[in-house]
Amino acid sequence: DSGVTQTPKHLITATGQRVTLRCSPRSGDLSVYWYQQSLDQGLQFLIQYYNGEERAKGNILERFSAQQFPDLHSELNLSSLELGDSALYFCASSVSQGAHQPQHFGDGTRLSIL
Amino acid sequence: AQSVAQPEDQVNVAEGNPLTVKCTYSVSGNPYLFWYVQYPNRGLQFLLKYITGDNLVKGSYGFEAEFNKSQTSFHLKKPSALVSDSALYFCAVRDDYYGGSQGNLIFGKGTKLSVKP
Repeated sequence: DSGVTQTPKHLITATGQRVTLRCSPRSGDLSVYWYQQSLDQGLQFLIQYYNGEERAKGNILERFSAQQFPDLHSELNLSSLELGDSALYFCASSVSQGAHQPQHFGDGTRLSIL
Repeated sequence: AQSVAQPEDQVNVAEGNPLTVKCTYSVSGNPYLFWYVQYPNRGLQFLLKYITGDNLVKGSYGFEAEFNKSQTSFHLKKPSALVSDSALYFCAVRDDYYGGSQGNLIFGKGTKLSVKP
C-alpha cells in the first residue's frame, strides 16, 4: 500500500459530461502529480502541485483542470469528455518537489467514456 | 529533450534464471533515474532510484540496477527470477537541468516481464 488514495476506482460516463477525480496524498507529502495512462500514449504527465500551488504542466488539455486544497488533497476535473479521454488516471505524491524524490502512486481511477 | 527508451516490449525468463530489463535515457543535465513495477489493476510501485554515487543500486524485492553513464543506460537486474516478478516494468527519468523545478517523470513505454515456472 503506497498510502496514496484515489477515488473513485472506476467511473463510467458519457461524452460531453464532466467528472472529478480525487486524490489524497501520503501523510506528510506536499507534492501531488497527475498522470494519464493509455494504451497508445503510455504514461503521460499532466500537472504537478506543491503545497497548493501549480508547479509544472505537461500534456494537459485545456478541458482538464486541477487544484490542490489546503488539506493537500487534490482534484482533477475533466470536462466536455470525449471517447479518447478513456484512460487510467494516476495520482502520485512525494515529500517535496526535489527531482531526487521518488513519487508514490495511487491505484488509479479507470475512466470509461461511452 | 528528455526521453527514455525501453527497447523490449516483453522479456521472457525461466524461474530461477537471471533477468535483465533494459533502459536507455537522454537528458540535458544529470539524470535522476527510477524503476517502477506495475501489477494488473494496480498503481506503480517504486523499486529503486539512482541519484548519484555508486553505479550499482539495490532496491526492493531483490532487484538492482546498473547505471552506465557512457552508454546512457540504467538496466534493471535480478539474479534469480520468481514467477511473482511477472509484471509491467517502467523506467523513468527526471532531468536536473531544470533545477528540479520540473516535476514530471518521463516514463518509458514499459516492458512486460513474464517468468515461467
